[in-house]
Amino acid sequence: GQQLNQSPQSMFIQEGEDVSMNCTSSSIFNTWLWYKQEPGEGPVLLIALYKAGELTSNGRLTAQFGITRKDSFLNISASIPSDVGIYFCAGRLPTGNQFYFGTGTSLTVIP
Amino acid sequence: GAGVSQSPSNKVTEKGKDVELRCDPISGHTALYWYRQSLGQGLEFLIYFQGNSAPDKSGLPSDRFSAERTGGSVSTLTIQRTQQEDSAVYLCASSLGARNEKLFFGSGTQLSVL
Repeated sequence: GQQLNQSPQSMFIQEGEDVSMNCTSSSIFNTWLWYKQEPGEGPVLLIALYKAGELTSNGRLTAQFGITRKDSFLNISASIPSDVGIYFCAGRLPTGNQFYFGTGTSLTVIP
Repeated sequence: GAGVSQSPSNKVTEKGKDVELRCDPISGHTALYWYRQSLGQGLEFLIYFQGNSAPDKSGLPSDRFSAERTGGSVSTLTIQRTQQEDSAVYLCASSLGARNEKLFFGSGTQLSVL
């Protein structure tokens, strides 16, 4: 199956700092989704991207669909303690049904 | 309903027993996915349903796994003769199945096979 490389694997940051994470694939995707998962819960959708170069914000979160269509980026500005969780990217090929998920970025925010 | 509902939230079973996991998708969503998440891992695709089309079963790991979707709504994932390696969180997601798709997940079923 498709391999989605998500980095970094984990991050420990001070409250108020900005965060950047990314996801890369070996194939071209036509959809990128970003999720946040907290313990004992299912992933919660943060941002959806459908066009190369698209830049979309959701509050302090901003995500971009890479122009090569093989990558995507998520930025969190001015982090707060409730940003703690695991962030997953997910992408879908132009043909096919399933979404492929990255292995996640674990974010810890130190107050 | 307001969101994707899964039951049970936790299931403990003995090796060799069969289990059924249930998913109630968001009302009006035509697409339904099952994923599996092992401890500390990403999500592994299992099966996809879209309307009345034949399901995409390409992710099912063995013939012990099967899933149904009745009436285009509720889905049941069945695991026969469970093995310890089946222990994981089983997540269900639904979407409108439209061109610009968004998947919405339930809270999952934590399956533990002893």
